[in-house]
Amino acid sequence: DQQVKQNSPSLSVQEGRISILNCDYTNSMFDYFLWYKKYPAEGPTFLISISSIKDKNEDGRFTVFLNKSAKHLSLHIVPSQPGDSAVYFCAAIDSWGKLQFGAGTQVVVTP
Amino acid sequence: DGGITQSPKYLFRKEGQNVTLSCEQNLNHDAMYWYRQDPGQGLRLIYYSQIVNDFQKGDIAEGYSVSREKKESFPLTVTSAQKNPTAFYLCASSKAGGPLYEQFFGPGTRLTVL
Repeated sequence: DQQVKQNSPSLSVQEGRISILNCDYTNSMFDYFLWYKKYPAEGPTFLISISSIKDKNEDGRFTVFLNKSAKHLSLHIVPSQPGDSAVYFCAAIDSWGKLQFGAGTQVVVTP
Repeated sequence: DGGITQSPKYLFRKEGQNVTLSCEQNLNHDAMYWYRQDPGQGLRLIYYSQIVNDFQKGDIAEGYSVSREKKESFPLTVTSAQKNPTAFYLCASSKAGGPLYEQFFGPGTRLTVL
């Protein structure tokens, strides 16, 4: 049973606008969350993370928000650029220290 | 350049044959991992190894085997017992004891069983 869920398989956004990617989780014991970015034919690369003691973490154009009561996190990309077109995976670290991944969201940034 | 290599990029095998996927890293990482990615699903952990000559099963280890005879190498064998072997396989490595977000991924191998 998947404990990390990304319900939107794809997202199309215009260049310069905001991209918002959503992620929900079911395990309240998760205490660290990560976003990975993946281009075709390449492995995922780490993008940004957030600890459960925070509700926001910002790194340049990327901001991750965590709502623990709703078991929901989101990734905001502002402004979106063509190079942001990729698959984005949400992940959480479980109590055994292993990564649990969501199914991914394909982002397409259009001119 | 330091990194993780997986070969080959594409692999085709007939049903019932065992096949071994290669993963090599020159990052001097102690820990290595194998994941499987299927359409519409996240990466799922098959096996991981924290140190040479030791490895543990992940969430979906059935039908797979691994070895860790050298620090830089962590080959994955997909056996004929794996019911749905066609998938995209990703290898990763990290420093032992380091935060898991330090996992670095290889480019992956797409295995197709005919």
